[in-house]
Amino acid sequence: SYELTQPPSVSVSPGQTARITCSGDALPKQYAYWYQQKPGQAPVLVIYKDSERPSGIPERFSGSSSGTTVTLTISGVQAEDEADYYCQSADSSGTVVFGGGTKLTVL
Amino acid sequence: EVQLVQSGAEVKKPGESLKISCKGSGYSFTSYWIGWVRQMPGKGLEWMGIIYPGDSDTRYSPSFQGQVTISADKSISTAYLQWSSLKASDTAMYYCVRQLRDIVVVPAANWFDPWGQGTLVTVSS
Repeated sequence: SYELTQPPSVSVSPGQTARITCSGDALPKQYAYWYQQKPGQAPVLVIYKDSERPSGIPERFSGSSSGTTVTLTISGVQAEDEADYYCQSADSSGTVVFGGGTKLTVL
Repeated sequence: EVQLVQSGAEVKKPGESLKISCKGSGYSFTSYWIGWVRQMPGKGLEWMGIIYPGDSDTRYSPSFQGQVTISADKSISTAYLQWSSLKASDTAMYYCVRQLRDIVVVPAANWFDPWGQGTLVTVSS
């Protein structure tokens, strides 16, 4: 079955830039989406269609795509950004797939 | 404000049946697909399936086909996820989600916003 691969963890200091990657063979043909999940809370959409930011999401969150890899970038990381981040896309048949998640630690 | 409000936590025994709910408000319930996502304890997100309340068209992830039933009652803007015989391995948090779509692009883009607050299902003898 189709898989999206994310690093299990990423660590950054406050004010630095965090980059979280998501790799999958279908990503050149399918859009990717990113969700933030803080402990004990439901996920929240932070990026859709590779690089679009929903209203209410801070400008420090951005997304990009290159080949089989998409990247969520958080510029000027703040302590409140510490969370799990999940990418989501679809396989060639349109079946929804989530990545395994990346735990972002703000040192 | 668009909201999805889910039913409360459940504690069940193996073999019991269960139906949890998700009520939508603040938008046209019959015009958007509603999906369900499982999160097992300490694990990631898994897409289970989706329903279009307007005509009850339902699609399941191959991993969940035959394991659960998704339904909706458009008269009360509520979607459901049900089990006929629970197993301990069904212990998880379950989220309902509204699917947003952009069908102008090819292939169509589909993403989830908002998410319900989650329903914790615990199955234990």
